[in-house]
Amino acid sequence: QSVLTQPPSASGTPGQRVTISCSGSSSNIGSNSVIWYQQLPGAAPKLLIYRSNQRPSGVPDRFSGSKSGTSASLAISGLQSADEADYYCAAWDDSLNGVVFGGGTKLTVL
Amino acid sequence: EVQLVESGGGLVQPGGSLRLYCAASGFTFSSYWMHWVRQVPGKGLVWVSRISSDERISSHADSVKGRLTISRDNAKNTLYLQMDSLKVEDTAVYYCARATSDTRNSLDVWGQGTMVTVSS
Repeated sequence: QSVLTQPPSASGTPGQRVTISCSGSSSNIGSNSVIWYQQLPGAAPKLLIYRSNQRPSGVPDRFSGSKSGTSASLAISGLQSADEADYYCAAWDDSLNGVVFGGGTKLTVL
Repeated sequence: EVQLVESGGGLVQPGGSLRLYCAASGFTFSSYWMHWVRQVPGKGLVWVSRISSDERISSHADSVKGRLTISRDNAKNTLYLQMDSLKVEDTAVYYCARATSDTRNSLDVWGQGTMVTVSS
């Protein structure tokens, strides 16, 4: 069981906006920034969001992140078929002294 | 081109040892924190360990503490994961990854992964 909790699946139609939630605790999301990764089938993960809401260069502004208290969200607007992937949230955990991941959310574009 | 290439994976019996390598190129390796992350095929990402740019600070997940050890050689641009007393549950694809220049834990460059199978 993962320290961070994500819904196992999400779906949307092309052009739609979808959000993926990530729930943690005071020792991780509550006191540290949230990171989001995208993993396409058969590929290594790709950094999507860091410092809770910052996009690395090259990541489209369709992707946005937010954090409130011990929860975070990843929003994807203008959904495309290429966005079909697994999405993971992560954060440093002060109690565990390590990085913790969510269990991942499989996004399906209908 | 910024690149990380893992090697050293393979089949090993329970209780055995293995050493993973991660060769870095295209960037100043000695300036970045580095991590190992593993993934059982079809399952989620699990953090394993990290090491500071100057090697002075390292940490490991509780599940691997005392058995898996991260290290690096900045002169050789190489990250290592020494794996001892391996268990069946250590079977996974192991990725090495680089943290961004301005954070310790946001991983912006990943290798292709190397498969470790622990089985008798």
